[in-house]
Amino acid sequence: DQQVKQNSPSLSVQEGRISILNCDYTNSMFDYFLWYKKYPAEGPTFLISISSIKDKNEDGRFTVFLNKSAKHLSLHIVPSQPGDSAVYFCAASQNYGGSQGNLIFGKGTKLSVKP
Amino acid sequence: DGGITQSPKYLFRKEGQNVTLSCEQNLNHDAMYWYRQDPGQGLRLIYYSQIVNDFQKGDIAEGYSVSREKKESFPLTVTSAQKNPTAFYLCASSIARDTSGNTIYFGEGSWLTVV
Repeated sequence: DQQVKQNSPSLSVQEGRISILNCDYTNSMFDYFLWYKKYPAEGPTFLISISSIKDKNEDGRFTVFLNKSAKHLSLHIVPSQPGDSAVYFCAASQNYGGSQGNLIFGKGTKLSVKP
Repeated sequence: DGGITQSPKYLFRKEGQNVTLSCEQNLNHDAMYWYRQDPGQGLRLIYYSQIVNDFQKGDIAEGYSVSREKKESFPLTVTSAQKNPTAFYLCASSIARDTSGNTIYFGEGSWLTVV
């Protein structure tokens, strides 16, 4: 049973427009969420994160929104650039006061930004 | 520059052979991890280590073994018992496993192909 779901395997967006990548989770104990970006044959790179005490975190062109009641988060990229074309992984973790902390990853969404 | 180094980048193995993937980090991170990525799948945790001389099984540990004799090093051995070893393997590290809000940083990955 997937605890972190990215239901869109792929997304295509025109350069300059907004890209919205979605992620849903089932475990209400998750308290920290991250987005990673991955190019083919490379390791994922950390993009942005959000703690469950917030509902929005912004870093340049990237904004992550968290809706705890809906168990949903989204990554907004605006404006989208061709260099943003990559696979984006959503990840979540929980802290049991020291006994956990493992990141659970979604399956990824492949973003293609067309010039 | 600080980072995580995985080697080799590409590795071919004959069926029935064991092979070891190297992972070294100079970030002074306590926790290290091995993930596996397959097409259409998210990242799945194989093993993790919170501290030297200690490691725990992840979600898909069968057919793998690890050691953590030094803080900087966390090699992964893919044994002949692993039924589907062909995959992209990612090593990662973080400051401390038990800290909520902890970000994991990844190496560049190693491609293992069984021929």
